[in-house]
Amino acid sequence: DVKVTQSSRYLVKRTGEKVFLECVQDMDHENMFWYRQDPGLGLRLIYFSYDVKMKEKGDIPEGYSVSREKKERFSLILESASTNQTSMYLCASMGQGIYEQYFGPGTRLTVT
Amino acid sequence: GENVEQHPSTLSVQEGDSAVIKCTYSDSASNYFPWYKQELGKGPQLIIDIRSNVGEKKDQRIAVTLNKTAKHFSLHITETQPEDSAVYFCAASPNTGFQKLVFGTGTRLLVSP
Repeated sequence: DVKVTQSSRYLVKRTGEKVFLECVQDMDHENMFWYRQDPGLGLRLIYFSYDVKMKEKGDIPEGYSVSREKKERFSLILESASTNQTSMYLCASMGQGIYEQYFGPGTRLTVT
Repeated sequence: GENVEQHPSTLSVQEGDSAVIKCTYSDSASNYFPWYKQELGKGPQLIIDIRSNVGEKKDQRIAVTLNKTAKHFSLHITETQPEDSAVYFCAASPNTGFQKLVFGTGTRLLVSP
């Protein structure tokens, strides 16, 4: 079974802090994604990566950056956390030529 | 870009009833339409999908229909059970050369015993 793990289930940070969310997949998938999930807005794509060191902006990249130094790991970085970044963050991975995305359990981030 | 609308936002049914969730999309070039189920405390999981060259697909109690002319697709769950209670998301994949997904806003389905 594909397994996508996220470093924390719950995280509380203060405004202005630098925040790292880590995601690791064990299926050698080329593609990885970061989404945020908000009530009434569904899942919105922040960034995705189709290869090591490659990254592309999604629909809502402002205030975020990403890093992919190894194939299995995709990190989401909030350079200076703000209260409007309080949300559920979901990571997903997908094999090349396959359309199914496999999601991690999510990290609920609260910025106070 | 692609925009996906999903209705209803919440749906309550009695066990054994059928449930239907509807989505519309804007980009006529989109060619792949999956449905994901998210149970409490978990990430979304693919339950069924359909490609633009197919009108209907069925897998046991769930089915998906696609109307390309009207640009809408629907999820049908028959003989609902309490374990079907979850949030369901539809999505569409714009034909941009990369397999991105644009998700709908989600439907919370509650199946009462």
